[in-house]
Amino acid sequence: EPEVTQTPSHQVTQMGQEVILRCVPISNHLYFYWYRQILGQKVEFLVSFYNNEISEKSEIFDDQFSVERPDGSNFTLKIRSTKLEDSAMYFCAKRTLLRDTIYFGEGSWLTVV
Amino acid sequence: GENVEQHPSTLSVQEGDSAVIKCTYSDSASNYFPWYKQELGKRPQLIIDIRSNVGEKKDQRIAVTLNKTAKHFSLHITETQPEDSAVYFCAARAVYNFNKFYFGSGTKLNVKP
Repeated sequence: EPEVTQTPSHQVTQMGQEVILRCVPISNHLYFYWYRQILGQKVEFLVSFYNNEISEKSEIFDDQFSVERPDGSNFTLKIRSTKLEDSAMYFCAKRTLLRDTIYFGEGSWLTVV
Repeated sequence: GENVEQHPSTLSVQEGDSAVIKCTYSDSASNYFPWYKQELGKRPQLIIDIRSNVGEKKDQRIAVTLNKTAKHFSLHITETQPEDSAVYFCAARAVYNFNKFYFGSGTKLNVKP
């Protein structure tokens, strides 16, 4: 299974602060995704990123969110002015060109207090 | 968009018994259906998947069946073991959008020793 490394594994932040979550794909894949899972709920699609630009985003992914691939390897999700309801596990995921499915990273727990 | 419904939300079985989890989907254009297993606090991991050109797929104790006409698919686990205890998510993806997966709400499986 393709490896995806995420940092931090857990972050606690004050409401209103900005948070950056990072994803480091080990091998070179073109398709990256961010998904969110609020505690005890289903996994929800946030955004897909292809060829260094957003290819699709959900209604959850509003102006508060942004994604970047600043140095050609790391893939980041920025959440501006965090709210309590942003508390969730955020998964980076990737898709290979040879397989249909997506593979999730270990996740970043975000707790907004 | 696609809507994936999953049942039951919780399932408790005795070790050695079989477990069946069912999902329905709404978009007839969905053609790829992965199943993920998520242990507490960890990432969802792919356990089996099926494409719409196949009615059934088996991998050791795990099998998935697909009924395209009825738009439902099921996960079957035979000879359950305590280590099968986890939350299982079904997902669906449409042929016209390789990047967006819709997840069911999850089934918490408890295998009692």
